[in-house]
Amino acid sequence: SQQGEEDPQALSIQEGENATMNCSYKTSINNLQWYRQNSGRGLVHLILIRSNEREKHSGRLRVTLDTSKKSSSLLITASRAADTASYFCATVLTGGGNKLTFGTGTQLKVEL
Amino acid sequence: SQTIHQWPATLVQPVGSPLSLECTVEGTSNPNLYWYRQAAGRGLQLLFYSVGIGQISSEVPQNLSASRPQDRQFILSSKKLLLSDSGFYLCASLPRGGDHEQFFGPGTRLTVL
Repeated sequence: SQQGEEDPQALSIQEGENATMNCSYKTSINNLQWYRQNSGRGLVHLILIRSNEREKHSGRLRVTLDTSKKSSSLLITASRAADTASYFCATVLTGGGNKLTFGTGTQLKVEL
Repeated sequence: SQTIHQWPATLVQPVGSPLSLECTVEGTSNPNLYWYRQAAGRGLQLLFYSVGIGQISSEVPQNLSASRPQDRQFILSSKKLLLSDSGFYLCASLPRGGDHEQFFGPGTRLTVL
């Protein structure tokens, strides 16, 4: 079963705008990760946030984690057409070893 | 950095035929290896993972099997494909001692007709 649920399922914005995607999960986690997938390709790791962290930045990406609400958000600032892709959150469960449980993904389309 | 190779890139097979998908990893030793399946427009479902040669854990009951004959080789197989086996299959590697970031191969798109 899916541990994470992303919201929204699809998002369409104009270039230069910010894009925010949310992820909710159900059980206690060790860390939460965000991945990007271009159409028909493999996944690329974007950022990892540990359960004891609340916010993390990487370039134009900002990730927050609220363990009390079991939720995370990914913000992409000043979006570009090249950011068009599907974005997935994935969790490593507490005591879950080295296995990732993926959410359902958000399809982001950035238009010129 | 490591590189994950998967082949073939696309495959069309009739129902009842056998399957063998191969994944090889470069640039790391003794990684954890994973097979995922992705249905159209959906997230990834973990099928198998391996922590070493000959060690396979199955996550979901299914028509598929996996083997790890060498440290950096992971194979997904089936004796008789079903229509429901269609999907996008991804191999991933977690370096030993890694920070839980997985590296993914380019995937194999399988269509069973």
